[in-house]
Amino acid sequence: DAGVIQSPRHEVTEMGQEVTLRCKPISGHNSLFWYRQTMMRGLELLIYFNNNVPIDDSGMPEDRFSAKMPNASFSTLKIQPSEPRDSAVYFCASSTRGLGVQLFPYNEQFFGPGTRLTVL
Amino acid sequence: EDQVTQSPEALRLQEGESSSLNCSYTVSGLRGLFWYRQDPGKGPEFLFTLYSAGEEKEKERLKATLTKKESFLHITAPKPEDSATYLCAVQPQGAQKLVFGQGTRLTINP
Repeated sequence: DAGVIQSPRHEVTEMGQEVTLRCKPISGHNSLFWYRQTMMRGLELLIYFNNNVPIDDSGMPEDRFSAKMPNASFSTLKIQPSEPRDSAVYFCASSTRGLGVQLFPYNEQFFGPGTRLTVL
Repeated sequence: EDQVTQSPEALRLQEGESSSLNCSYTVSGLRGLFWYRQDPGKGPEFLFTLYSAGEEKEKERLKATLTKKESFLHITAPKPEDSATYLCAVQPQGAQKLVFGQGTRLTINP
């Protein structure tokens, strides 16, 4: 299996520009998570999806951030407009989730290699 | 508020020198506690899940244990390739998300 795939691996942009990060989860996984990692704040959950539906976006810092999952094999995280404080490593992770109302409680998340974003 | 605190922040050991990393947590009901390893420039790599107090899991030189308030990652006779940042995360009851600690940066000198 190819694992979680993220692109680009590195992105350097100027303040005010739009940035789009992409993620392909592991085939068969039906949950997808977007995280941000910085030295100051560590690894923070931004948003996650179950079966392509956003479940919890309480970690999205502000309206400049948006995420979509148009199908089971693709998700995007967009920042518009970008700011220097958005500089971080952004990770996508995927996992399986049980069917029905009962959550499958112990599902480990598998992470992609990350996208290192630098906003000048 | 769910919170995870890891200690120490950084740890240097000589090859073969055993030690333990600590993960203290406060959570409104624990579904599971996860340990991950992260190498520089890479995403976290899953190591263990612990479900209830008293449980232990082992993998090569690593053993993870769990109590009601904390977890330990014991490393026995470590090698330089065990150098990495080790992350602890909790999954609260009724939630699918993970709450991560800041990590322990472990360096094993040959």
